[in-house]
Amino acid sequence: QSVLTQPPSVSAAPGQKVTISCSGSRSNIGNNYVSWYQQLPGTAPKLLIFENNKRPSGIPDRFSGSRSGTSATLGITGLQTGDEADYYCGTWDNSLSEVVFGGGTKLTVL
Amino acid sequence: QVQLQESGPGVVKPSETLSLTCTVSGGSVSSFYYYWTWIRQPPGKGLEWIGYIYYSGSTHYSPSLKSRVTISLDTSKNQFSLKLSSVTAADTAVYYCASGLASRPSDWGQGTLVTVSS
Repeated sequence: QSVLTQPPSVSAAPGQKVTISCSGSRSNIGNNYVSWYQQLPGTAPKLLIFENNKRPSGIPDRFSGSRSGTSATLGITGLQTGDEADYYCGTWDNSLSEVVFGGGTKLTVL
Repeated sequence: QVQLQESGPGVVKPSETLSLTCTVSGGSVSSFYYYWTWIRQPPGKGLEWIGYIYYSGSTHYSPSLKSRVTISLDTSKNQFSLKLSSVTAADTAVYYCASGLASRPSDWGQGTLVTVSS
């Protein structure tokens, strides 16, 4: 059971928008930056969002992140079939003294 | 952007020690402010953070694995390594090395599958 809670799956049609939630507590999301990772099938995770809402160079602005209180959200607009992947949120947990991840959300583009 | 490549045995016997090495290119393991991290992913499951070593050599491990984990640096080879002792089937996973900030590994290796089996 993961410290951060994500929905197991989400789906939407090509061109549409989808959001993925990540719920935590004051000891993690509430007091630390959140990152988001995209894991395409059979590949290593790739940093998508850092410091709640910043994108590394090369990540299109279709991907966005936000944080409010003890929850974070990843948004993806203009969905493409190539966006089908597992998405993970992650952050530091002050109580556990380690990096914690969500259980992952599988995105299906119908 | 740093490139990382994991290497090591694909099969380890129960109760033995798992040993993996991560070779770094495009950067130095002695670079200021870099954290060199190990993360694993059991087949079909989510990500689990194992720990990191700072460029200075200081380490921090997951409390749940701390008693069995050692991460070390080899600056002469520009590598860092993971040792996990007393392995069981529960340690079967894809092991990733990564670099970046402590709570935000930004560059990842491709991963290597380690199976614990007799």
